[in-house]
Formats: sequence, C-alpha cells, structure tokens
Amino acid sequence: AQSVAQPEDQVKVAEGNPLTVKCTYSVSGNPYLFWYVQYPNRGLQFLLKYITGDNLVKGSYGFEAEFNKSQTSFHLKKPSALVSDSALYFCAVRGYNFNKFYFGSGTKLNVKP
Amino acid sequence: GAGVSQSPSNKVTEKGKDVELRCDPISGHTALYWYRQRLGQGLEFLIYFQGNSAPDKSGLPSDRFSAERTGESVSTLTIQRTQQEDSAVYLCASRTSDGNEQFFGPGTRLTVL
Repeated sequence: AQSVAQPEDQVKVAEGNPLTVKCTYSVSGNPYLFWYVQYPNRGLQFLLKYITGDNLVKGSYGFEAEFNKSQTSFHLKKPSALVSDSALYFCAVRGYNFNKFYFGSGTKLNVKP
Repeated sequence: GAGVSQSPSNKVTEKGKDVELRCDPISGHTALYWYRQRLGQGLEFLIYFQGNSAPDKSGLPSDRFSAERTGESVSTLTIQRTQQEDSAVYLCASRTSDGNEQFFGPGTRLTVL
C-alpha cells in the first residue's frame, strides 16, 4: 500500500536557525516524492520533487530535500529559516506506475522572530 | 498564465441540500484531481480524471458524491443531500499527462449548517 507519514504535527524553530520537516513513505516501485506548502486560505504550492538522480534536490524559496532510499525518507530542509516560511507543509508520494498521489497529514512550521 | 481556478470560493448550505463545485484546470492539462481537506487534516483523494479515460472514483466517500469532466476542460464535483461532515475545503489540482507536479486551485470552503 502507498502511504506517507509526517510524524510531527508541528515544528517550531527560531528565525535564522536550520529547519527540518520529516517525511517517510511507503510505495511500490520507485517513488516520486514531492513537497508542497500551504499558506492560510490558499491552495497548495509546489516546492520541490524527487524523481531520479541526485538524492539532494533543491527547490523554491531556498528549500531542499534529501531522498534516502534505505530509510524511505524525504526530509525537507532549509539552512536558515525565515518568519515568512511559517506555513503548513505536505509531503506526497506517487508510485511510478500510479496516477494517484498520497499526501501526508501535514506539518505546521512555526518560525519565531 | 492562468492557474487552476475554483468556484465558488466559499459555499454555505443547509443540511440536505445539493451543492455543485467547479474547477477550471490549466489549459492543456489532461489530468485533474479532486481532494477533500477537513479542518486541520491532510488531503483526502476523491477522484481522478485523465483525458477521456474512465475516472478513478476510488476515493469518493459515498454515493452522494459524484464528479464529471468533459474532455480536458471544466470539472464539477456534486454533493447530494449534504451532511455536516461534508464541511471541508475541496481542492482541485491539474497536471500534464506526462508531468509529475500538480498545480492546485485555491479551493472551495464548504460549510454545511
């Protein structure tokens, strides 16, 4: 079965500190992995994706994520958090031969000034 | 260019009434998804359309829910005899047939009184 787990409902960091938002997945075959961000009263915005190639992928707004096949993880990271990064973050997975995307439950990121 | 649009942005209805939600995907996007997002929760897959293929309806929660899409254009999600537990934000997303990332609309917030 395909699934995504985001073990933290909320992550709090101070502005300027590094941040990590965790995601683990379960999927048949090679995974296609995604991170989306949702600001209040808005739809989801695409941040980055891993399809193949380099395990470290870079995305929008200075975010990056590392694909770890052995740990079936795809954690989102940023070296220096901004208050404006405060939002709800969703990890998603798609099996390469599937059309459906499976989303995690979301992690609320709170960056304090 | 124009993104995914949804209407109405907000809908308040009385229990037992029918509602119709609309999604205009990005032009040229053959794949279209509907998701439900309950307050404080992740995205729940409802239905997927790909071109003229039979839709994947496996996520529809009951026979009160239905959706249509003509070709690669507008889609409507209909909820009959609404219940209070139908209150949620309904998100639509589209992507190209060979694309991996979904582009989301702003959602329709449905409140059933």
